[in-house]
Amino acid sequence: GESVGLHLPTLSVQEGDNSIINCAYSNSASDYFIWYKQESGKGPQFIIDIRSNMDKRQGQRVTVLLNKTVKHLSLQIAATQPGDSAVYFCAEIFSGGYNKLIFGAGTRLAVHP
Amino acid sequence: GAGVSQTPSNKVTEKGKYVELRCDPISGHTALYWYRQSLGQGPEFLIYFQGTGAADDSGLPNDRFFAVRPEGSVSTLKIQRTERGDSAVYLCASSLTSGGAFGTQYFGPGTRLTVL
Repeated sequence: GESVGLHLPTLSVQEGDNSIINCAYSNSASDYFIWYKQESGKGPQFIIDIRSNMDKRQGQRVTVLLNKTVKHLSLQIAATQPGDSAVYFCAEIFSGGYNKLIFGAGTRLAVHP
Repeated sequence: GAGVSQTPSNKVTEKGKYVELRCDPISGHTALYWYRQSLGQGPEFLIYFQGTGAADDSGLPNDRFFAVRPEGSVSTLKIQRTERGDSAVYLCASSLTSGGAFGTQYFGPGTRLTVL
């Protein structure tokens, strides 16, 4: 299948550790942000989203933090598992329109047993 | 239920040929999107359909690219006179609506296009 993220920055973690993946977004007018996970040969899979009127949102084992002052988004994964190994993309949506996603560059997460 | 499906999963063609890529969205989803993903990069927006109409085709790189969604469900992305630079994974996504709480986009597995 297609190999994703051959030239992307890589975050290597040990199984069981917490992971933090960072993303800088581009447009201060963006009001909706999403994290996607992409495994090799597959399409992006929705993980969690957050609106600009929030600064933190939690899901199952994942937390997204939003800092609008510095246009920064982070994804925290608790107790990282081998199945979390993938490329992670943040995406933003500009306000006032439909859901045209603007993706960031992506980060490869490698989980070692 | 069934997710977004795309066919073919792989397509190899020669420079100058015409190709069609198909997307079957999740049943009931009114919004459909096409993206293109080059190796090592994030997906880039191509075109968005709301129902049968192309609401935004600003991401299509040139007039060799065209997409249709005649009955508001299945969509076909058409590329004429293919060039080597068109080689990429073409992703389709659909969402229940185009905004708000039900606007989450669900992606298909993609079609890997290789132009020789």
